[in-house]
Parts: sequence; structure tokens; C-alpha cells
Amino acid sequence: RKEVEQDPGPFNVPEGATVAFNCTYSNSASQSFFWYRQDCRKEPKLLMSVYSSGNEDGRFTAQLNRASQYISLLIRDSKLSDSATYLCVVVPPQGGFQKLVFGTGTRLLVSP
Amino acid sequence: DAGVTQSPTHLIKTRGQQVTLRCSPKSGHDTVSWYQQALGQGPQFIFQYYEEEERQRGNFPDRFSGHQFPNYSSELNVNALLLGDSALYLCASSPPPGVPRPDTQYFGPGTRLTVL
Repeated sequence: RKEVEQDPGPFNVPEGATVAFNCTYSNSASQSFFWYRQDCRKEPKLLMSVYSSGNEDGRFTAQLNRASQYISLLIRDSKLSDSATYLCVVVPPQGGFQKLVFGTGTRLLVSP
Repeated sequence: DAGVTQSPTHLIKTRGQQVTLRCSPKSGHDTVSWYQQALGQGPQFIFQYYEEEERQRGNFPDRFSGHQFPNYSSELNVNALLLGDSALYLCASSPPPGVPRPDTQYFGPGTRLTVL
């Protein structure tokens, strides 16, 4: 089983739509969770951290369910500029030195 | 405030050759991690350097080695290149322990390596 699993998509949605991505992770002791965004042929950029209580940043909402070991990202009112690959990232317990474990990414295409 | 920088941006090598990639971390960061991203995949952790020592290593062969310098910059060396080493190599830096979100990593633009 992969450490972090995501549906690769692509998700094709019209502008203004709401879209949700899910991600599951295998190590129940994982410490930190993130969503990164990656545009074509560019580096990943931190979109948001994911907290147990859930957190929101504008049109983006992230949720963590530790019991079920899954993370979600909700994008409301999709814009053309949201088209990108969204990478789910987990930090497993490593005793003080962190490595990021990435999913394969979910591709989002927002059309006019 | 300069972000993470990497050089070169692109590189073409042939099988069996050796390559060195370079990374300068974001100002104020002292930990450098290297990742390999093959086409259509998420980045895979190679290793991480802190205080000039390799602190963690992913599932990569000994052909992959690295170094961190006193100014926190880092190099990734790959020997005996294989076709399968063709990928985007990403460097990420993170702040020292004791600051908020020390596990947050910021990526450089990457070096795209093509092995022919």
C-alpha cells in the first residue's frame, strides 16, 4: 500500500463549481499534513497546512480526519487560475527531522 | 528575500556520466532536502541535510550522494547515470527547529535532468 494515495484525476469542472479532493495516508502516527499546488513544469508551492480542527483560506478549505486517516481539500467558486495539480503531503514521524511524503497528485482543469 | 535557488535549470547527460546539482536555501533556513520527481509522479524524497550531515535518506541507491556546506547550500551528486534518472530534481529548504512550522518546506524551481 502506498504511504499517500490520491485519485490522479483529471477533474474537469466549469468555472464557479465546487470541487473536492481526498487523500488517504497509511501511517497513523503521521504528524503534519499539507496541500501543495504544482503548475505544469514548475515547483510545488505550499497551498495550505491541514489542521485537525479544519482550516479555511479564502475559497479553500482543508480537513483532516485522523480516525479514518484521510485529508480533504475543498475549492469553492473555481477559477480558471485554479487549474493545476494538487499534491497531498504527509510528514511521517521521524524523530525531529522531517521528510515530505507526496501523493501522485490530482489534476484539476477548470474550463470557461 | 531570495527564495530557494537551484542550478542549472536544465541538463542533458548520457548514460554512465556523473552530474552535480546545486541548491541555495531560502534566507534563514538551515535544512535542505532533495527530491526526485519523475513525469506524472509526486516528488520522491532522496535525502535531507542539516548541520552538514545527512540526517535522513529515502530509498535511493548509493549512486546518489550529497553534501551541505557551512553556508547551508547543498549539492546532489549522481554517479553512473541511468536512463531512469531522467527527472525534475527539486531542492527544498526549511527553517530551524524552534520557529513556527519547522516542517514547512519551500521548493526551488528544480533542475530538469535528461539522460540519453
